[in-house]
Amino acid sequence: EDQVTQSPEALRLQEGESSSLNCSYTVSGLRGLFWYRQDPGKGPEFLFTLYSAGEEKEKERLKATLTKKESFLHITAPKPEDSATYLCAATGITQGGSEKLVFGKGTKLTVNP
Amino acid sequence: GAVVSQHPSRVICKSGTSVKIECRSLDFQATTMFWYRQFPKQSLMLMATSNEGSKATYEQGVEKDKFLINHASLTLSTLTVTSAHPEDSSFYICSASVETQYFGPGTRLLVL
Repeated sequence: EDQVTQSPEALRLQEGESSSLNCSYTVSGLRGLFWYRQDPGKGPEFLFTLYSAGEEKEKERLKATLTKKESFLHITAPKPEDSATYLCAATGITQGGSEKLVFGKGTKLTVNP
Repeated sequence: GAVVSQHPSRVICKSGTSVKIECRSLDFQATTMFWYRQFPKQSLMLMATSNEGSKATYEQGVEKDKFLINHASLTLSTLTVTSAHPEDSSFYICSASVETQYFGPGTRLLVL
């Protein structure tokens, strides 16, 4: 069964304190690994897609990396506005045979000023 | 670009009534749209996949007759929760796909 596991469940950082979020996946025939940001009461906001091991992508203070079994979201010198739940998702296959996203439970990040 | 809207954002209804939620891709055409459900502190659970002009494909355990999906055009999909009950109260989120899934802002449904 396709599965995505994120750790930690929650993370509290001081402003400027860099850290990493982990996403491990077991998905047959991975087509892509996705990171989204979700604020309370809102839909997920797309951040990155990674397609192959060794690939890295950056956006402002965030950098996503991918290996054959896991992905990391590195946050450098975070600010309070980076506080959100970060979701990791991997592509799987739906009942009908088309691609779907399998989501982890997310990491709730809180950055204190 | 890649903006997806949902309407309404919040809805409160009485048990036994039906509720329709609209999902629109505003600046692109989506071959596929997805409907998810999210409970508090839980991940997004895929309910169904819909392609324009064809019947939706439902995930295992999702009642087709309760959650009716219509994908009338490349920019519009609707989810109708029929004969809603309190256990259907949840956060419903749609996404529209063009290589990447872009999500709407979600609809909070409360069934009294």
